[in-house]
Amino acid sequence: GAVVSQHPSRVICKSGTSVKIECRSLDFQATTMFWYRQFPKKSLMLMATSNEGSKATYEQGVEKDKFLINHASLTLSTLTVTSAHPEDSSFYICSARDLVVQGSSSYNEQFFGPGTRLTVL
Amino acid sequence: QKEVEQDPGPLSVPEGAIVSLNCTYSNSAFQYFMWYRQYSRKGPELLMYTYSSGNKEDGRFTAQVDKSSKYISLFIRDSQPSDSATYLCASAPSNFGNEKLTFGTGTRLTIIP
Repeated sequence: GAVVSQHPSRVICKSGTSVKIECRSLDFQATTMFWYRQFPKKSLMLMATSNEGSKATYEQGVEKDKFLINHASLTLSTLTVTSAHPEDSSFYICSARDLVVQGSSSYNEQFFGPGTRLTVL
Repeated sequence: QKEVEQDPGPLSVPEGAIVSLNCTYSNSAFQYFMWYRQYSRKGPELLMYTYSSGNKEDGRFTAQVDKSSKYISLFIRDSQPSDSATYLCASAPSNFGNEKLTFGTGTRLTIIP
């Protein structure tokens, strides 16, 4: 299957600083990537949909000025958490969409990165 | 009410046992139902997807969807230690590759050798 990487895997930062997380599709081009967040013992929740060359679409309740998304190329999307606070501490995971062909049928699938654990002190 | 509910476990079973993992959902618009497997420090990996009601089998894995009761199940036969992981159910109203996925919390499964 398609491979998606994220960098860094873990980051610890001080309150008030900004943190950038990268999501890369390694062996395919992705016009659409998705950013999710997961709090302990909670579900993965979609934050935003990132489309190459255009503005991201944010889910209700997600602050677009706080979580800046840039999808500048077909293999890279970045999420910047600006002025991070302890309540932003979470597991951030991206996915990238690719077409899967199985025999005579095909479908779009989201391939997930390994996630980034952010801790804000 | 959460749109997708899943018992977080943890669940421990002996090797060779049949494992049953379950979710319920509340959104009638959901048409696609997925099961993902997530190993520690890895991203979720799609195991199987089902469109609408019915069964789907892939090797030792069987996915079942009953839309009348809004119930989603994953069965693992002849469970192996390598099946130890967190299993997440997810749903989407249409093409799940393009759509927002609504996840359950995940069930942590351990297969005891």
